[in-house]
Amino acid sequence: GAVVSQHPSRVICKSGTSVKIECRSLDFQATTMFWYRQFPKQSLMLMATSNEGSKATYEQGVEKDKFLINHASLTLSTLTVTSAHPEDSSFYICSARISADTQYFGPGTRLTVL
Amino acid sequence: GQQVMQIPQYQHVQEGEDFTTYCNSSTTLSNIQWYKQRPGGHPVFLIQLVKSGEVKKQKRLTFQFGEAKKNSSLHITATQTTDVGTYFCAGRSAGKSTFGDGTTLTVKP
Repeated sequence: GAVVSQHPSRVICKSGTSVKIECRSLDFQATTMFWYRQFPKQSLMLMATSNEGSKATYEQGVEKDKFLINHASLTLSTLTVTSAHPEDSSFYICSARISADTQYFGPGTRLTVL
Repeated sequence: GQQVMQIPQYQHVQEGEDFTTYCNSSTTLSNIQWYKQRPGGHPVFLIQLVKSGEVKKQKRLTFQFGEAKKNSSLHITATQTTDVGTYFCAGRSAGKSTFGDGTTLTVKP
């Protein structure tokens, strides 16, 4: 299947700093990418839909000023967690959609905020 | 708010037995998606259902979307050890996606 990468795979930061996570589709173009959070041993939560060349669409309850999403090209979307706090610690996963029936997930980024 | 309940939470089966997980929404859904996540792995998108009463098959997996578009099921025929993992549904309603808590399947060889 197609490959989606995320960088970094793991990041530890101090409270108050900002962290940028990259999601890349390596061998295909994705006009739509999704960002999720997953807490340990829990289900996924869709945060936002990222569309190339336009503003992201955020799910209810997700602060768009807190979680900045940029989808500057057909192969790259970034999620920036601004002024991170310990409650932002989580596993952040992206996926890239090829069609309504096909999307591929990245391996995830483990964020730990001290 | 929208709630998506998934049952059972856990299912242990003998290899070769069938398995079904059910997803029930408190609201009518525009679509429902199913995902699989192996232990320690990232999610894998399985399928999206959109139409009322829709049935889709992928080899040994059969996905159904209820007539009222409020429930869905995933059925695996003759489970194999490679089927182990957690199966999540995600229902979309009023512009919001809600994931079920997942059904974790273990298969005894």
